[in-house]
Amino acid sequence: AQTVTQSQPEMSVQEAETVTLSCTYDTSESDYYLFWYKQPPSRQMILVIRQEAYKQQNATENRFSVNFQKAAKSFSLKISDSQLGDAAMYFCAYRYISGYALNFGKGTSLLVTP
Amino acid sequence: EAGVAQSPRYKIIEKRQSVAFWCNPISGHATLYWYQQILGQGPKLLIQFQNNGVVDDSQLPKDRFSAERLKGVDSTLKIQPAKLEDSAVYLCASSLEGGASYEQYFGPGTRLTVT
Repeated sequence: AQTVTQSQPEMSVQEAETVTLSCTYDTSESDYYLFWYKQPPSRQMILVIRQEAYKQQNATENRFSVNFQKAAKSFSLKISDSQLGDAAMYFCAYRYISGYALNFGKGTSLLVTP
Repeated sequence: EAGVAQSPRYKIIEKRQSVAFWCNPISGHATLYWYQQILGQGPKLLIQFQNNGVVDDSQLPKDRFSAERLKGVDSTLKIQPAKLEDSAVYLCASSLEGGASYEQYFGPGTRLTVT
């Protein structure tokens, strides 16, 4: 079974600063996808960024980027130039390439202060 | 493009009562998912449909939970009878197809409180 671990229950960042959220996962598979989802108080999960395990290049989406270390089974999210609207729960998730379910971590609550 | 719709947004029931949640996926999406998100945890998949057939229901407590997706569009998730531990947010998601490369789009969820 795959497990996803987010070791930071809460993080805080000042507006315009950079923050990194950590995620590790455990799998015996070689082909899979990794995701970061954002869940604001409205509860709607929004995909922030995804990474295919076979790609060595780290994914980037505007102010969001990942540091994917396959051997270490680590997948961290970096948010640059943090904005008040970035405040939310962030979930790391894993999906086996031939599997069905998204396996989520417990989440990290990000607070952005002015 | 309209997103995934869910209703109701909130529901409070007493234990042993029954409850049903409704989900309308994005038009044209063949795959529909129901997730359970207990407070302080990430969502957990309960059931996945491909059109109107069940692909994975391995984590669905079948003694009390049931789900259907008639005509391969809307879906209903039912709990009967409810237990206190069923208090959670129930999220519906849909994707164009079921493969891992297809993005899942989530609805706003239904928050269930069982007293």
